[in-house]
Amino acid sequence: DVKVTQSSRYLVKRTGEKVFLECVQDMDHENMFWYRQDPGLGLRLIYFSYDVKMKEKGDIPEGYSVSREKKERFSLILESASTNQTSMYLCASSSPRTGYYEQYFGPGTRLTVT
Amino acid sequence: AQTVTQSQPEMSVQEAETVTLSCTYDTSENNYYLFWYKQPPSRQMILVIRQEAYKQQNATENRFSVNFQKAAKSFSLKISDSQLGDTAMYFCAFMERDSGYALNFGKGTSLLVTP
Repeated sequence: DVKVTQSSRYLVKRTGEKVFLECVQDMDHENMFWYRQDPGLGLRLIYFSYDVKMKEKGDIPEGYSVSREKKERFSLILESASTNQTSMYLCASSSPRTGYYEQYFGPGTRLTVT
Repeated sequence: AQTVTQSQPEMSVQEAETVTLSCTYDTSENNYYLFWYKQPPSRQMILVIRQEAYKQQNATENRFSVNFQKAAKSFSLKISDSQLGDTAMYFCAFMERDSGYALNFGKGTSLLVTP
């Protein structure tokens, strides 16, 4: 089974701090994604990557950056955390090799910025 | 960007009954995929069912089935014999074949199964 893990389930940070959210998948998937989930808004794509060192902006990239130095790891970085970045962050991975394209999700990180 | 609309923010169904969650989408593309994901209160998002647009036959996975109406751009999820464990947020998602495999999600439907 595909396993996607995220470094923290809950995280509390102060405004202005630099925040790193880590995601690791163990199935050699090429594609990795970061979403933000807010009540009433569903999931919104922040960034995705389809290969090591490659990244593409999603729908809401402002205030975020990403890093993918290894195939299995995809990091989301909040350069200077703000209160409007308080949210649930979900990481996902997929592979076109499966032919099915479905994404496998991690358990999520609940980030609170105070 | 493609739009995915789930018009029912909340729904409730009694155990053992059948419930249908609606989803419509907007696209000008012909090659795409549709998915229903379930997110229980424990938060882990899991795939319920998927449908390839080029397939006319509706997908089925045990108690879960879809009604895919391509011309109407409709993709509803039917849950038969509802169980308490079906209580969750359900998200409809769309993926265009050439989009880089990114999913476009609806806002979700919160389903409560009552005894």
